[in-house]
Amino acid sequence: SQQGEEDPQALSIQEGENATMNCSYKTSINNLQWYRQNSGRGLVHLILIRSNEREKHSGRLRVTLDTSKKSSSLLITASRAADTASYFCATVVNTGTASKLTFGTGTRLQVTL
Amino acid sequence: NAGVMQNPRHLVRRRGQEARLRCSPMKGHSHVYWYRQLPEEGLKFMVYLQKENIIDESGMPKERFSAEFPKEGPSILRIQQVVRGDSAAYFCASSPQRVNQPQHFGDGTRLSIL
Repeated sequence: SQQGEEDPQALSIQEGENATMNCSYKTSINNLQWYRQNSGRGLVHLILIRSNEREKHSGRLRVTLDTSKKSSSLLITASRAADTASYFCATVVNTGTASKLTFGTGTRLQVTL
Repeated sequence: NAGVMQNPRHLVRRRGQEARLRCSPMKGHSHVYWYRQLPEEGLKFMVYLQKENIIDESGMPKERFSAEFPKEGPSILRIQQVVRGDSAAYFCASSPQRVNQPQHFGDGTRLSIL
């Protein structure tokens, strides 16, 4: 089964509005990461939050992590048309010096003018 | 710094042929990961390699698939005797040898099987 499940699967908002995406996971993690994927392209890393952190900001992005509920949220404030993309959360369980990412199914965000 | 480079971007093969996908990690990165993505889905881990070593291949099918990351040159994902179900986008990522570091992705190879 999926380690990460994003909610909603698709989200359509107007430019200037905020977009919130949620991610749930099943097992204990070392860190959780959010990535963006534009159509036909690879993934771009947005933000990494460690298991001992609760909130992190980067520009218009705000990520929260609740390890007791095994969930995370990504908030994009003042959205722009260029934010249109698929957003994935990925969890990491370290077993050595570096570890694989386990991805959710993604949220497809559409920002219209 | 050049990013992760994958080639080819698009690869078309007929059933039964071999597919070779190449990945050059970012400079200074010693860890390489391969993922597969089906349409409208997230990425699925296949294999994790360091130079000359396969560290974790738990996501890679036991038959027809192999991966290597030689001392010199790019990492190679090889699929023998391809079938239609192998059609997907294959992404490579690399990271430095430190924990809690993000992975940097290439733009992928889109494999189509006729």
